[in-house]
Amino acid sequence: NAGVTQTPKFQVLKTGQSMTLQCAQDMNHEYMSWYRQDPGMGLRLIHYSVGAGITDQGEVPNGYNVSRSTTEDFPLRLLSAAPSQTSVYFCASSALRDSGTGELFFGEGSRLTVL
Amino acid sequence: GDSVTQMEGPVTLSEEAFLTINCTYTATGYPSLFWYVQYPGEGLQLLLKATKADDKGSNKGFEATYRKETTSFHLEKGSVQVSDSAVYFCALSDRGGSYIPTFGRGTSLIVHP
Repeated sequence: NAGVTQTPKFQVLKTGQSMTLQCAQDMNHEYMSWYRQDPGMGLRLIHYSVGAGITDQGEVPNGYNVSRSTTEDFPLRLLSAAPSQTSVYFCASSALRDSGTGELFFGEGSRLTVL
Repeated sequence: GDSVTQMEGPVTLSEEAFLTINCTYTATGYPSLFWYVQYPGEGLQLLLKATKADDKGSNKGFEATYRKETTSFHLEKGSVQVSDSAVYFCALSDRGGSYIPTFGRGTSLIVHP
């Protein structure tokens, strides 16, 4: 059981480049989300989705796009990377409240550096 | 809206010391409460959880009791080890409100030999 899988684990970009962070889960979870973690800032929610075809903004959505074409996958796109997007990114999934306690399952993280 | 407040760190202890990390919450519905742990260089993983008032979650020697009257979920361990050094996050998921989990800011624990 793989759980939540994120790729790549490390990435270095130049300002203005684009890239996609991949996230896949094999637990049939309806809820998927992306967080960024910066020193002293805790976890900040970027975008989330409650099912295929449904996405919504979190606390810090600017500069990021997401899509949810399948239940399993929830990629995060940076269209034009900026140094302020240097961070560690975590994907997390959960069964929605009616079918679970709301426990989140996290990926191992993707460390992104923008030069 | 929902919120979680946990004590700021870092918390620095000697091995075998008693640990308490305070966590209080506000929620409009009937939240489940969680403690997550993040070891250096890793993602968060669930440490323990409690889904209703007076429930006690426990795992790896850690315990936390869901106290509705004081809206608290304090994390405790009787004797910490160096391997417990990590960042601990208190969180809630409000089944009667927003399904988006709410996290505290995290508390760094450093245990010295």
